[in-house]
Amino acid sequence: DAGVIQSPRHEVTEMGQEVTLRCKPISGHNSLFWYRQTMMRGLELLIYFNNNVPIDDSGMPEDRFSAKMPNASFSTLKIQPSEPRDSAVYFCASSFGTGRGGQYFGPGTRLTVT
Amino acid sequence: KNEVEQSPQNLTAQEGEFITINCSYSVGISALHWLQQHPGGGIVSLFMLSSGKKKHGRLIATINIQEKHSSLHITASHPRDSAVYICAVFYGGSQGNLIFGKGTKLSVKP
Repeated sequence: DAGVIQSPRHEVTEMGQEVTLRCKPISGHNSLFWYRQTMMRGLELLIYFNNNVPIDDSGMPEDRFSAKMPNASFSTLKIQPSEPRDSAVYFCASSFGTGRGGQYFGPGTRLTVT
Repeated sequence: KNEVEQSPQNLTAQEGEFITINCSYSVGISALHWLQQHPGGGIVSLFMLSSGKKKHGRLIATINIQEKHSSLHITASHPRDSAVYICAVFYGGSQGNLIFGKGTKLSVKP
């Protein structure tokens, strides 16, 4: 299995631009998580999906952030408009069932907003 | 306030030493997750546990629910164990109720 796939791996954009991050979970996993990691705040859970349905988006910082999971094999995290404080590494992770067996993390997308 | 505290924040050890990283939390939890983040940034799930002890190779994780404390032990440490170790707790029965510790940066010298 290829593991969790994220794209792009690096993204540099100017303030105000729209940014879309992509994630392909491990086949067969039915839970998907989006995390953000910064030096100041560490790892934070933004949103998670179960069976393609958003279950908890309380971690999404603002209305500028939105996430979708149109099918079991694809999810996007969109920031519009982007701001410099959105600069972070964004991780996607997937798990099977309740996730008690552990989550599998993607390599992350390093986002820089100038 | 829900908090997860890890200690120490930074740890330097000599190869071969036995290492302990601690995680304390302030609320009732349903599970605790230990993660390893490599210097390159990749994150690996090490253990998910809700009671007792789990072992995988040279890694051992224990949890004491009554004391709200978990430890991650590394036996016979090796320079390749150098990484940031992160504790995360699930509370409230939902996968979305997840709080991360700030991590412990481990450096193992040859």
